[in-house]
Formats: sequence, structure tokens, C-alpha cells
Amino acid sequence: DSGVTQTPKHLITATGQRVTLRCSPRSGDLSVYWYQQSLDQGLQFLIQYYNGEERAKGNILERFSAQQFPDLHSELNLSSLELGDSALYFCASSVESGGETQYFGPGTRLLVL
Amino acid sequence: GDSVTQMEGPVTLSEEAFLTINCTYTATGYPSLFWYVQYPGEGLQLLLKATKADDKGSNKGFEATYRKETTSFHLEKGSVQVSDSAVYFCALSVGTSYDKVIFGPGTSLSVIP
Repeated sequence: DSGVTQTPKHLITATGQRVTLRCSPRSGDLSVYWYQQSLDQGLQFLIQYYNGEERAKGNILERFSAQQFPDLHSELNLSSLELGDSALYFCASSVESGGETQYFGPGTRLLVL
Repeated sequence: GDSVTQMEGPVTLSEEAFLTINCTYTATGYPSLFWYVQYPGEGLQLLLKATKADDKGSNKGFEATYRKETTSFHLEKGSVQVSDSAVYFCALSVGTSYDKVIFGPGTSLSVIP
């Protein structure tokens, strides 16, 4: 158990819909990272927040957004969903912004029908 | 740009066989190198890391040596077990900021009794 929690574990929705994925980092970790894992794209870094502020951006679509709240939990919002957005979404956390070791949550499996 | 290449899987080995998973990288600057493991149905876990040339990372019987001259970080284990069946990801981060970790495509390992 990494100490990172993600909800929900599974999510099934339809194209065009909007969903919110939630992540609680390990106690004491200030950084939260979001990744998308799909069969064709592999593991892709989406975005990182550090202590409430956006710190780094990767291959995140404009339809996707994230935020980190004062209690350090983070939410990833996915809108206008397409079939190709079906994937595993992982959250990871680390102590600092430049934290080498990232601790991954169990992931949220999203299926868009 | 920075990238990681791994040998393609899946790799299937018998129990107690020797394991090598090749990893090579391209990076500007001096990256830190990591191996992460993803067991079925779980998130990624850091397996080992090395932060400078000639460093050897080791954990749970796995080893990898940072070879700057060949830009490689091959993962080895002398005797694999069924419980080692998982997907293994080689990864790097560059410079003083570890905000973005770049992952390889992953190599699936199946160990059969």
C-alpha cells in the first residue's frame, strides 16, 4: 500500500460526458502527479501540482483540467469524453516538487462507451 | 528530446531463470534513472534507482547499473520467481527538477513454475 488513494476505482460513462477523478496523496506529500496509461500510448505524464500550484504540464488535452485543494487532495476533470479517453488514470505523490521517488495510487479505470 | 527505450515483451521465463530487461535512454544533461514495477491490478512502485554514472541500484534481488558510456540501465535478476511476474518500466528524469519523469513503454514479464 503506497498511501496514495484514488477514487473511484472504476468508472463507466458515455461519450460527451464529464467525469472527475479524485486523488489523496500520502500524508506529508505536497506534490501530486497525474498520468494516463493506455495500451497504445503507454504511460503518459499529464500534469503536476505542488502545494496547490500547477508545477509542470505534460501531454494533457485542453478538455482535461486538474486542481489541487488546500488539503492537498487533487482532482482531474475530464470533459467532452471520447472513446479514446478510455484508460487507466494514475495519481502519484512525492514529498517535494523535485521529489525523485513518486508513490503511485492504484489507479482509476475509465471506460468511455 | 529525452526518451527511454526498452526491449519489447512479453518476456516469458521459467522459475529460477536469469532475467535481463534492456533499457537505453537519450537525454540532455545528466539524468537519474529508475526502474518501476507494476504488479497486476496495481499502480507502479519504485523498484530501484541510480542517480549518477556507475551507480548500481538494487532491491529485492534486482540490480541495474547506470552506464553513461552506453546510455543504458539494464535490469537483471539472477533467479526469478513466479511472484516477479509484472510489467517493468524504465524511466528517467533530468537535471535538478524531477517534475517530469519519462517512462519507457514497459516490458511484461511472466514467470512460469
